[in-house]
Amino acid sequence: DAEITQSPRHKITETGRQVTLACHQTWNHNNMFWYRQDLGHGLRLIHYSYGVQDTNKGEVSDGYSVSRSNTEDLPLTLESAASSQTSVYFCASSPGVGTGELFFGEGSRLTVL
Amino acid sequence: DAKTTQPPSMDCAEGRAANLPCNHSTISGNEYVYWYRQIHSQGPQYIIHGLKNNETNEMASLIITEDRKSSTLILPHATLRDTAVYYCIVRVHSNYQLIWGAGTKLIIKP
Repeated sequence: DAEITQSPRHKITETGRQVTLACHQTWNHNNMFWYRQDLGHGLRLIHYSYGVQDTNKGEVSDGYSVSRSNTEDLPLTLESAASSQTSVYFCASSPGVGTGELFFGEGSRLTVL
Repeated sequence: DAKTTQPPSMDCAEGRAANLPCNHSTISGNEYVYWYRQIHSQGPQYIIHGLKNNETNEMASLIITEDRKSSTLILPHATLRDTAVYYCIVRVHSNYQLIWGAGTKLIIKP
């Protein structure tokens, strides 16, 4: 079955370190998204991509970067992790630009000490 | 900022219909209403969406008022597994992005 997977599921790191969260989908979807979710809140969009070599900033993109070298993967990099980036990160994909039906991964819980 | 307003929490008895309200008074004519739910800390799950007409699928029904300023998600026969946070979302037409609020925590009681 097609799916979307995130790794690692849990990570603890130190302030200032570079961290990369992986996201891999096997649906061949063009659109991929990264969100963060803080306790008691909804999701906030970090970055998104509508296809290979396309990346766009979301509402909370500072301190994060993404690259899209193929259809299946959209890794999220924290260049220099900060304690404010402690959060749960969700990756999602969707087949077309016009649809709001997103398929989410199970999340990656990141703790920055 | 979120474009929707939902009650922070609701209870419903198992087997009864759960009706979750949502206000979106500033919605534009071409903006869709989406509903997702999040069980525990899992990834959100798409439920249903609509523009003007009422919609129904195997999971739920979506009732949108004629003026489109509010909507109601209906789970016809709630089970304990429906306990989750339910998000009502307006999709921004200009960039197709979903703006998430804090949602409604629905607790189904036996």
